[in-house]
Amino acid sequence: DVKVTQSSRYLVKRTGEKVFLECVQDMDHENMFWYRQDPGLGLRLIYFSYDVKMKEKGDIPEGYSVSREKKERFSLILESASTNQTSMYLCASSLLTGSGALAKNIQYFGAGTRLSVL
Amino acid sequence: TQLLEQSPQFLSIQEGENLTVYCNSSSVFSSLQWYRQEPGEGPVLLVTVVTGGEVKKLKRLTFQFGDARKDSSLHITAAQPGDTGLYLCAGVNSGYALNFGKGTSLLVTP
Repeated sequence: DVKVTQSSRYLVKRTGEKVFLECVQDMDHENMFWYRQDPGLGLRLIYFSYDVKMKEKGDIPEGYSVSREKKERFSLILESASTNQTSMYLCASSLLTGSGALAKNIQYFGAGTRLSVL
Repeated sequence: TQLLEQSPQFLSIQEGENLTVYCNSSSVFSSLQWYRQEPGEGPVLLVTVVTGGEVKKLKRLTFQFGDARKDSSLHITAAQPGDTGLYLCAGVNSGYALNFGKGTSLLVTP
């Protein structure tokens, strides 16, 4: 079974702190993703990475950065946490196989980190 | 980002009832996935539908992909409390990222 592990289930931080959210996957997947999930807004993509040291902005990258120094690990960084970054953060990994109609892009999610910024 | 609209947003039913959830878009997708997210956990893939008109069954859950590959539905027969959760559809095209709908939150009470 694919395992995606997020380092913390719950975090409480203060405004202005630098926050690191860590994610590790054990299936040698090329691609990793960070989402935030808020009531009524669904899953919104923050950043993704398709290879070591490679990153792409998602839909809402402002206020966040990421780091992928090793294939299995993808970190989300809040440089200066703000109250509007209070949310559930989900990490996912995937392996793209096939192409066109046969393309498979199954995402495997961690259990999430619920971050509160006070 | 290609928009996926899910309806209804919330659904509260009693055990034994049937229900249908919808996922609609104006865009064509090469395939569409359905995930279920239980409280306190991350989403888990239930099924992928690929061919227009395709129907897939997973025990009491029936998934259908629209003929034009723009929409999908999930029908649950005789719902059980264990079906409670957030149901998310996700459109798949070329590229790395999926397009997720906002989800349908289902509560099944005994």
